[in-house]
Amino acid sequence: SAVISQKPSRDICQRGTSLTIQCQVDSQVTMMFWYRQQPGQSLTLIATANQGSEATYESGFVIDKFPISRPNLTFSTLTVSNMSPEDSSIYLCSVEGKAVETQYFGPGTRLLVL
Amino acid sequence: QQQVKQSPQSLIVQKGGISIINCAYENTAFDYFPWYQQFPGKGPALLIAIRPDVSEKKEGRFTISFNKSAKQFSLHIMDSQPGDSATYFCAASKAGTASKLTFGTGTRLQVTL
Repeated sequence: SAVISQKPSRDICQRGTSLTIQCQVDSQVTMMFWYRQQPGQSLTLIATANQGSEATYESGFVIDKFPISRPNLTFSTLTVSNMSPEDSSIYLCSVEGKAVETQYFGPGTRLLVL
Repeated sequence: QQQVKQSPQSLIVQKGGISIINCAYENTAFDYFPWYQQFPGKGPALLIAIRPDVSEKKEGRFTISFNKSAKQFSLHIMDSQPGDSATYFCAASKAGTASKLTFGTGTRLQVTL
């Protein structure tokens, strides 16, 4: 399985500000995904990020709020823009494994918005 | 996203017992069903997965049972250990959807001594 790191691991932010979360994987991968996990809840897919193309967003998530970059096959960023307390969540990136349809997750970024 | 229903929400099992977590799905196009294990403060880790062409898959103490006609699948943890205490998520995805996973709501398992 891939080794995935995320930065920062946690942050406390003020409302109205933006935070960029980085996801780094130790091997080249085609597909990267960003999920949100609210406290004690399940995971919800925000968007799928392919290298060299625009990210594909799920219903309820928009690019202006969650812009994503995917500059190469080992790295992606998710920005949470104009934050409000409702954005307090764990944000997780995942990558597609070599075995078809498997996904491996990073450790997550724990965000608290005050 | 299509829903995947998971039960129970929480489960307490004695050490050495069998833990059973159930999931049901609606979309018959789903054809890949993984289970993830998540410890506090960590990301989910892939535990075991199954496809609809088999009714059961076993890896060590972990077994998935799959009932295609009922659109249900379950995770059995044999000889449950305190180290198995975690939150377990079932998930499902469709072929050709870039592996987009739909997750269940999670089951918090506590294995007592």
